[in-house]
Amino acid sequence: DAGITQSPRHKVTETGTPVTLRCHQTENHRYMYWYRQDPGHGLRLIHYSYGVKDTDKGEVSDGYSVSRSKTEDFLLTLESATSSQTSVYFCAISEEGRGHPNYGYTFGSGTRLTVV
Amino acid sequence: SQQGEEDPQALSIQEGENATMNCSYKTSINNLQWYRQNSGRGLVHLILIRSNEREKHSGRLRVTLDTSKKSSSLLITASRAADTASYFCATDTNDYKLSFGAGTTVTVRA
Repeated sequence: DAGITQSPRHKVTETGTPVTLRCHQTENHRYMYWYRQDPGHGLRLIHYSYGVKDTDKGEVSDGYSVSRSKTEDFLLTLESATSSQTSVYFCAISEEGRGHPNYGYTFGSGTRLTVV
Repeated sequence: SQQGEEDPQALSIQEGENATMNCSYKTSINNLQWYRQNSGRGLVHLILIRSNEREKHSGRLRVTLDTSKKSSSLLITASRAADTASYFCATDTNDYKLSFGAGTTVTVRA
């Protein structure tokens, strides 16, 4: 999607290894989010950021950490990958925060992560 | 737990027909949004309806919101093959996130 890029698009990793996924935006949006998508669960929020170095946990944050040292980059790290973290990971950005009448997300194309 | 639940889970219609899907949610909201996801792609924002609005239109899309019943519906009129996708509702509540349902998969047959 225009303005937001996720890398890598696909990754296979072994159990116990650390993995970092990158989300890069060129829209200068303040808010950034990491979701995971699994069959039957929809999208579940992992972590989000409301500014540089300002992050908070979502509903499924265990085993994940994030960092945002620049407005344009939001990194998601799996400290020690497990098979339960096999999923499709989506990054999203938003210009406005929750509650704003024009609040809406722009999503990246996703990273398909397989932990073997 | 998911705030929004879409119904039905799957829908198959003929090209040119209308497609209707519903979303029910549990707690009060600031707004409700609908997104589309084509296979293998990210979600695309379709429309946002505020809690004080009852109906909204965007092209062939019509969204209704009934806050007393905690439900919303998305109608796609005159469906096309390109409308084949999964559709998600997302609710903006008084916490820090958008909560997404599990989605409705729509297949439009030529």
